[in-house]
Amino acid sequence: AQRVTQPEKLLSVFKGAPVELKCNYSYSGSPELFWYVQYSRQRLQLLLRHISRESIKGFTADLNKGETSFHLKKPFAQEEDSAMYYCALMFSGGYNKLIFGAGTRLAVHP
Amino acid sequence: KAGVTQTPRYLIKTRGQQVTLSCSPISGHRSVSWYQQTPGQGLQFLFEYFSETQRNKGNFPGRFSGRQFSNSRSEMNVSTLELGDSALYLCASSSRLAGGSYNEQFFGPGTRLTVL
Repeated sequence: AQRVTQPEKLLSVFKGAPVELKCNYSYSGSPELFWYVQYSRQRLQLLLRHISRESIKGFTADLNKGETSFHLKKPFAQEEDSAMYYCALMFSGGYNKLIFGAGTRLAVHP
Repeated sequence: KAGVTQTPRYLIKTRGQQVTLSCSPISGHRSVSWYQQTPGQGLQFLFEYFSETQRNKGNFPGRFSGRQFSNSRSEMNVSTLELGDSALYLCASSSRLAGGSYNEQFFGPGTRLTVL
């Protein structure tokens, strides 16, 4: 079955520390992976899409098909990074359907 | 461009009633997806509409239904409400690429439904 796993409910770090939010997926085809972020009192918004291979707000994520992972990383966390982060998988074959992980709350302390 | 809008933002109903939620996608987006968000189950896919046709459906009972109009606006309906239907209902719109894949989904602010 298709599944996205985010093992950490909460990740608490200090400002300037490196951050890694873990995401593992289970899917038999060629998935497309995303990271969405939800800041306090704001709507869910796209942070990264693996096919674009961009760095957004200092965050990067690499798709590792061997380990079926798509971990989100940032070398130096900022307080404004505090938010809820969701990893999501889109089916291949033209299906516009996202499967979300449970989410990880990132708290960056001063 | 204006973002995805959802109405109403808050709704309180009692068990057994039915409810209709509305979603207006970003102009030009023909795909609208609906998700249910609860503390226990997280974000779960309900269904997706493209050009007035339901193309994908999640694992929800038949009490949950939807439709899409010719202007791409979408509604979802929940009949015979249960306490467990209390949730934030999100809709998202996206555009379709020439090859059949989709651009990113843009989410609305959600409708918070409380069933008493």
